[in-house]
This record gives sequence, C-alpha cells and structure tokens, in this order.
Amino acid sequence: LAKTTQPISMDSYEGQEVNITCSHNNIATNDYITWYQQFPSQGPRFIIQGYKTKVTNEVASLFIPADRKSSTLSLPRVSLSDTAVYYCLVGGDRVKLVFGAGTILRVKS
Amino acid sequence: SAVISQKPSRDICQRGTSLTIQCQVDSQVTMMFWYRQQPGQSLTLIATANQGSEATYESGFVIDKFPISRPNLTFSTLTVSNMSPEDSSIYLCSVEAGDRGYYGYTFGSGTRLTVV
Repeated sequence: LAKTTQPISMDSYEGQEVNITCSHNNIATNDYITWYQQFPSQGPRFIIQGYKTKVTNEVASLFIPADRKSSTLSLPRVSLSDTAVYYCLVGGDRVKLVFGAGTILRVKS
Repeated sequence: SAVISQKPSRDICQRGTSLTIQCQVDSQVTMMFWYRQQPGQSLTLIATANQGSEATYESGFVIDKFPISRPNLTFSTLTVSNMSPEDSSIYLCSVEAGDRGYYGYTFGSGTRLTVV
C-alpha cells in the first residue's frame, strides 16, 4: 500500500484558493488517488478522484503530474464551511483504505 | 453511491460492558470495513468483513475484543467487548461506493462511544 505524506495543517482566508499537496512516491500502476473531506462528528466524504493529469468537478480540482508521485487538491474560493480535515489516499478497486494523518484546513474570515 | 445507516450514533457505556454497532447499507456490497477514530486522530482500519467468511483483522485488533458479524450483503455489526475508557472513540463502517468508474468508499456517520 502506498504511503502518503501531507502537511499537518493549513490556514487560509475566505475567498482564497487553497492547494493541498500529497506525496505518494510508492504509488502502483493501478492505483488511483482519492481525496476525502471529514467534518467533526461525520464520516469522511469523497471529494475527487484521479489517475493522471487533471480532474475537475463542482467542488475541487485534482492535479497529478506525469510521474504520479504527488498530487495537489485545489479548492477554489474557500469559505468557512470548508474548514475540515482533508485526506489523500492511494489505492485501487477493492483495496482497503489506509488513512494517513490528513491535513487540517482552517478557513478564517 | 451506497447509503449507510449506522446505529447508534452515540452511546455512553460503563466499563466492562459491551456495545454492538450496526451498519445497514441500501445496496448489496461485497466488502464492508470497520474503522476506529480516536479523539483527534486519523482513521485506523479494524477489520474487513466479507459475507460468508470470517472477518480479517488488522494488526493490533483481535476477534475476541471486536467480534464482527456479516450475515448478509447489506448488514454488519461490530461489537466492542469488555470496554475500557481507552475504547472511547468514533467507530465507522465503510463500503465500496458503487459508482461506476469510481474506485472508492462511502462511510457511515459514525458511532461516538464514550466509556466511563
């Protein structure tokens, strides 16, 4: 299972773009990169998933370089409600998830 | 994607007792996972439960302490046995999301357990 490394915490202000980078040097060929968001007292929630290049949905963008050894979650124009813990996970179909420490994002007004 | 109903949402229990947590999914899933999240920490996988077979436990977790049942493809239970204050955590179940093209998982809202 690929190990991931993320910053422990980040601070931002409302309206700013936030980029959270995750390192996963040992990613396997068939692994996908998935980001989850967790609010206090809730289970993690899927944000975005990608394999290579760039993926965008209504919530975020995910940038993956050609070597796939890292990825960057981009949250455009964050609001106070984006304050949460963000987890980067690497794995494939029917593979158990191994959570790292995650990144605590604090958005201030 | 799959929708999970997890019960109870929270409980306060006396040490030495046991609590059974239920996880109901609105669709049939092959694999169900149980996680523990200690206060201020990340999620730790307890075990993987497949229907029709014994659960597979991760290092540091044993069946006597965390027995798991998986009677069918939509339901599972996790029991926390002979509880101590160190078992105070959030317990979450998770299943494959089920969305085509999405390799990932859906999580229940969790059971917040406090042992006194």
